[in-house]
Amino acid sequence: DAKTTQPPSMDCAEGRAANLPCNHSTISGNEYVYWYRQIHSQGPQYIIHGLKNNETNEMASLIITEDRKSSTLILPHATLRDTAVYYCIVRSSNTGTASKLTFGTGTRLQVTL
Amino acid sequence: DTAVSQTPKYLVTQMGNDKSIKCEQNLGHDTMYWYKQDSKKFLKIMFSYNNKELIINETVPNRFSPKSPDKAHLNLHINSLELGDSAVYFCASSQDGRAVKFYGYTFGSGTRLTVV
Repeated sequence: DAKTTQPPSMDCAEGRAANLPCNHSTISGNEYVYWYRQIHSQGPQYIIHGLKNNETNEMASLIITEDRKSSTLILPHATLRDTAVYYCIVRSSNTGTASKLTFGTGTRLQVTL
Repeated sequence: DTAVSQTPKYLVTQMGNDKSIKCEQNLGHDTMYWYKQDSKKFLKIMFSYNNKELIINETVPNRFSPKSPDKAHLNLHINSLELGDSAVYFCASSQDGRAVKFYGYTFGSGTRLTVV
């Protein structure tokens, strides 16, 4: 699976949009981009994933560049409860048997008042 | 109705002891995993089972032995515990394979193991 690069930390004011970038320049055609987050001491939580089209769900939006070498997770109105470590992961779509998710160091997002 | 549940939540034990952590998922998923998160917060996969069959076995000491009695359960047994085994262990499950689209893992809340 391709490697990802994320900034180690970011701050965001409550109520503002949080834009978390991720570089995955070696991504291949069948690899999806996944985003997870881990709120302190809890298990990682799935947020969203996409292949090449932009995606939106009740939690966030995912913007993937046309060349697919980078993506941005957008939390439209960040709250204090969004303070967490956010992981960008690239994973092959090949299924049939278990395929592991490889977590990097992620971005620590601090939402402030 | 917790989706992925682990027990115990906390475990403090002495070096050399043998301990087990249990994991159960009620999502009907075919695949289950064990991840270890060390003090530096790196999350690393240890094992994965698909329908009771071992699929992924990373470089883990053979003191760690996973057991899957059925596809809803994946337990982790650790023999001769060492100080370096202290970490948070997360169980997860997913629905992989066949015509089912992969939507991601569902993680348990973790078991904090402290070896003293």
